[in-house]
Amino acid sequence: DTEVTQTPKHLVMGMTNKKSLKCEQHMGHRAMYWYKQKAKKPPELMFVYSYEKLSINESVPSRFSPECPNSSLLNLHLHALQPEDSALYLCASSQDQGGTEAFFGQGTRLTVV
Amino acid sequence: KQEVTQIPAALSVPEGENLVLNCSFTDSAIYNLQWFRQDPGKGLTSLLLIQSSQREQTSGRLNASLDKSSGRSTLYIAASQPGDSATYLCAVSPRPNAGGTSYGKLTFGQGTILTVHP
Repeated sequence: DTEVTQTPKHLVMGMTNKKSLKCEQHMGHRAMYWYKQKAKKPPELMFVYSYEKLSINESVPSRFSPECPNSSLLNLHLHALQPEDSALYLCASSQDQGGTEAFFGQGTRLTVV
Repeated sequence: KQEVTQIPAALSVPEGENLVLNCSFTDSAIYNLQWFRQDPGKGLTSLLLIQSSQREQTSGRLNASLDKSSGRSTLYIAASQPGDSATYLCAVSPRPNAGGTSYGKLTFGQGTILTVHP
């Protein structure tokens, strides 16, 4: 099973709302990632968790708050977002952070209104 | 700073053709290179992973090669089918550095949009 599951698939939220994106994998991977992808652009790394600890934060605004409750789950908490934050948010996992094969979820299409 | 370029940006071919997608990167200090496929509005599907010590990898009709010294990789698709239509992305992963600041970070190319028409 090489599946990374993301929920919800689609999310529309207002600028004053608080919402969360969820990601789950059961491959025993110890590195998990959040990427953001704007239309017709490649994915851009936001955060990396390694062994449930935040390893990399690519200078992401604090209105995005990641959380890794356990080795299988990764959340991205959202609050006070702006319309320009509308994008496809992709979760990925790999065996470890050392450049092993990355597996991506289907993404959450986020629209901020 | 690593930069990844993919050529061509778009490609349209008739069904049955063999085709080559190109990927180049500026910093040869990579750990591996991975090719992905992305259907519109969907996530990325891993196609092939080539470790820096390898020259090529094959999976079905796909063959990827890596020339690390020249900073190039190619993805060869044999006997293309309409179902191959998608955006193809290559991404490189850097070698671990002492500071660990880029460890595990994939740098993507802009992608090649492939259309295979019947």
